[in-house]
Amino acid sequence: QQPVQSPQAVILREGEDAVINCSSSKALYSVHWYRQKHGEAPVFLMILLKGGEQKGHDKISASFNEKKQQSSLYLTASQLSYSGTYFCGTAPGSNNDMRFGAGTRLTVKP
Amino acid sequence: DSGVTQTPKHLITATGQRVTLRCSPRSGDLSVYWYQQSLDQGLQFLIQYYNGEERAKGNILERFSAQQFPDLHSELNLSSLELGDSALYFCASSASGGPFEKLFFGSGTQLSVL
Repeated sequence: QQPVQSPQAVILREGEDAVINCSSSKALYSVHWYRQKHGEAPVFLMILLKGGEQKGHDKISASFNEKKQQSSLYLTASQLSYSGTYFCGTAPGSNNDMRFGAGTRLTVKP
Repeated sequence: DSGVTQTPKHLITATGQRVTLRCSPRSGDLSVYWYQQSLDQGLQFLIQYYNGEERAKGNILERFSAQQFPDLHSELNLSSLELGDSALYFCASSASGGPFEKLFFGSGTQLSVL
């Protein structure tokens, strides 16, 4: 029931772009994205709902294709503060029992 | 600060022991979730409560149990502890447990079983 994320890890230089993918074998109501910095709690980034809409958060945006059961997180012109582990989460039903992918570790270097 | 409070922050115990982790949700939130995160691992969903009732169950071992009290705080009880139970345990809360609500995570309880 857990979504699958790729890649497992990404190393970038400041200013470069990255894409993190998330896919599920089950139909999705929504996809959530969270970021966790080392030693801290996960923090909410955005929710994507059916309809393929894109949401944005500063220079971080995401898309959701419910037909393909996939979501992608786009980080443009990355900053040092973007470093962390990104998790996508999906709920298997109408509850909010979020199942998270294994995470993508993003490292942004100067 | 997410508004979710977890205590204790650190817990060191021995195999075979029993511990209780406590979580106070954000003011006004009725739903509480528990997650386990092992070293360099993802977040494993354990259980969800809504207003005192169990709503969803994940990969929670039989040695683990949880409950949500009338004042909405929640406790996760771990018994007959094994080395493999060492992990960071997060509590999260949301307003009503609906599918489109964001989760607010506490800072976690680091459990070390020696």
